[in-house]
Amino acid sequence: DAGVIQSPRHEVTEMGQEVTLRCKPISGHNSLFWYRQTMMRGLELLIYFNNNVPIDDSGMPEDRFSAKMPNASFSTLKIQPSEPRDSAVYFCASSPLAAGPKETQYFGPGTRLLVL
Amino acid sequence: AQSVTQLGSHVSVSEGALVLLRCNYSSSVPPYLFWYVQYPNQGLQLLLKYTSAATLVKGINGFEAEFKKSETSFHLTKPSAHMSDAAEYFCAVRGSGNTPLVFGKGTRLSVIA
Repeated sequence: DAGVIQSPRHEVTEMGQEVTLRCKPISGHNSLFWYRQTMMRGLELLIYFNNNVPIDDSGMPEDRFSAKMPNASFSTLKIQPSEPRDSAVYFCASSPLAAGPKETQYFGPGTRLLVL
Repeated sequence: AQSVTQLGSHVSVSEGALVLLRCNYSSSVPPYLFWYVQYPNQGLQLLLKYTSAATLVKGINGFEAEFKKSETSFHLTKPSAHMSDAAEYFCAVRGSGNTPLVFGKGTRLSVIA
């Protein structure tokens, strides 16, 4: 079975440009999480969805960041305009909702973003 | 609220030696605890998890961890390190409900031949 799929794997852009990261969760998983990994802050949650509905977006840094989940098999994280401090690895993870907190979250390979 | 502290950002062991990576947690509710491993330029892979069944949890690649409530700890061990164990290891905690993971800062494990 395919795991969590993220695209692109690498993105290099210039400051001020719009960046869109994409995620396809594992089929049947109805919880989706976006995390960001940096050297300074480690792994931190940006936002998560249950059944396509955003539950907690308190980790989204500022209004430049937005995330959507239009259906159960697709989510996007958009940064507009991008800034050098947004450079990081962005991970998407998914898990089944019904099993609750003991359920494993499965991570995608990540998108490495570099904003020049 | 939940939090995790991983003691030691970098641990170095000789091949064949014991691996011990430390994790202490704080949680206002009975916690669910996880260890993930991250190899260079890859995503996170689950090693093992504690879900209140057995306090000694066995995972993949010969790793295990013991949940000690009195010490609020969930340390990761492996009797004999292998070169392929070199990676970054993350401890994470989760409370009730389908809430996100809260990660520690990670511990980078180096294995010396």
